[in-house]
Amino acid sequence: DAGVIQSPRHEVTEMGQEVTLRCKPISGHNSLFWYRQTMMRGLELLIYFNNNVPIDDSGMPEDRFSAKMPNASFSTLKIQPSEPRDSAVYFCASSPGQGLFEKLFFGSGTQLSVL
Amino acid sequence: GESVGLHLPTLSVQEGDNSIINCAYSNSASDYFIWYKQESGKGPQFIIDIRSNMDKRQGQRVTVLLNKTVKHLSLQIAATQPGDSAVYFCAELGTNAGKSTFGDGTTLTVKP
Repeated sequence: DAGVIQSPRHEVTEMGQEVTLRCKPISGHNSLFWYRQTMMRGLELLIYFNNNVPIDDSGMPEDRFSAKMPNASFSTLKIQPSEPRDSAVYFCASSPGQGLFEKLFFGSGTQLSVL
Repeated sequence: GESVGLHLPTLSVQEGDNSIINCAYSNSASDYFIWYKQESGKGPQFIIDIRSNMDKRQGQRVTVLLNKTVKHLSLQIAATQPGDSAVYFCAELGTNAGKSTFGDGTTLTVKP
């Protein structure tokens, strides 16, 4: 299994630009999670989906952030417009079941730098 | 609110020694705990888990201990190797089922 695949690995953009991060979960996994990691705040859950349906988006910082999961094999996290404080590593993770009491399988992350 | 925290941000050990990484959690309703290892440039990887009805679980070279009385979790690594150098996170699930709450992480450095 290829594991969770994220793209791009690195993204450098200018403030105000739109950024789209992509994730392909492990085939057969039913839950997908987007996390953000910074030195100051650690790992923060932004949103998670179960069977392609958003279950909890309370961690999404503000309206500039949006996430979609159009099918079981693809999800996007979009930031529009981006700001320097959005600079972080964004991880996608998936789990086999309903996401309850399960370990997560993480991708390698997208390093986002907003100048 | 709930929080999961680490006692020490860094730990340095000699190769071959045993390592102990500690974690405190605040939510007594937490039901499931996981230790993750994150190497540089990679996402966290599952190491071992434990449910609240257990107080100890062993894996290959790793042991997790859970003390629900004081809400404390520890990860013990036997015969620490250079490849064990990484950041270690504890995570808890329970009251917000589906949401893993991660601690701040402990950086383990293994000296040759």
